[in-house]
Amino acid sequence: EAQVTQNPRYLITVTGKKLTVTCSQNMNHEYMSWYRQDPGLGLRQIYYSMNVEVTDKGDVPEGYKVSRKEKRNFPLILESPSPNQTSLYFCASSGTDRFNYGYTFGSGTRLTVV
Amino acid sequence: RKEVEQDPGPFNVPEGATVAFNCTYSNSASQSFFWYRQDCRKEPKLLMSVYSSGNEDGRFTAQLNRASQYISLLIRDSKLSDSATYLCVGGYNFNKFYFGSGTKLNVKP
Repeated sequence: EAQVTQNPRYLITVTGKKLTVTCSQNMNHEYMSWYRQDPGLGLRQIYYSMNVEVTDKGDVPEGYKVSRKEKRNFPLILESPSPNQTSLYFCASSGTDRFNYGYTFGSGTRLTVV
Repeated sequence: RKEVEQDPGPFNVPEGATVAFNCTYSNSASQSFFWYRQDCRKEPKLLMSVYSSGNEDGRFTAQLNRASQYISLLIRDSKLSDSATYLCVGGYNFNKFYFGSGTKLNVKP
């Protein structure tokens, strides 16, 4: 089944404790992206990657890091999480035809930083 | 100003009703448009792409008005299962897709 897999689904952590949210897709998509979703603000792009070793900042990159060492994986790293990073996070992927077919999203990671 | 704006609703309609949502976008260079459906606390799922000529998929019709910079979604014969939040998306270059905050629809028996 074609899918984007995120882990974990739920995470509660403390301020300053480094964490990684994993994202993997099995569709051989070149393009991957991370979004956060907050009430009233919609989905905002954090980082995106056009292909292996090619990443760039989205609209809200502060406090996050990413890497793209393999085509299928695009982990999101929070080096020192803070409470304002409490949010619902989605990983998304798309092939080169994304202007016609949009994104496929993972199931989301609900992160709480206390 | 947000790139893509939507009325948050909620739109409360009875089963069988026809309901329409509009979404405005600010960047006239926007090239691609979509409607996504999002159920509570779940991932957005593509409902339909929006083409310049308009497109229809069963009970759903999407239209694009470039002159006024808005897209619309029409749902006919609403079902209880249509209750969800509908996200409008506009993209204007190779990398950027902007999501609206969503319009909530409640279809009631």
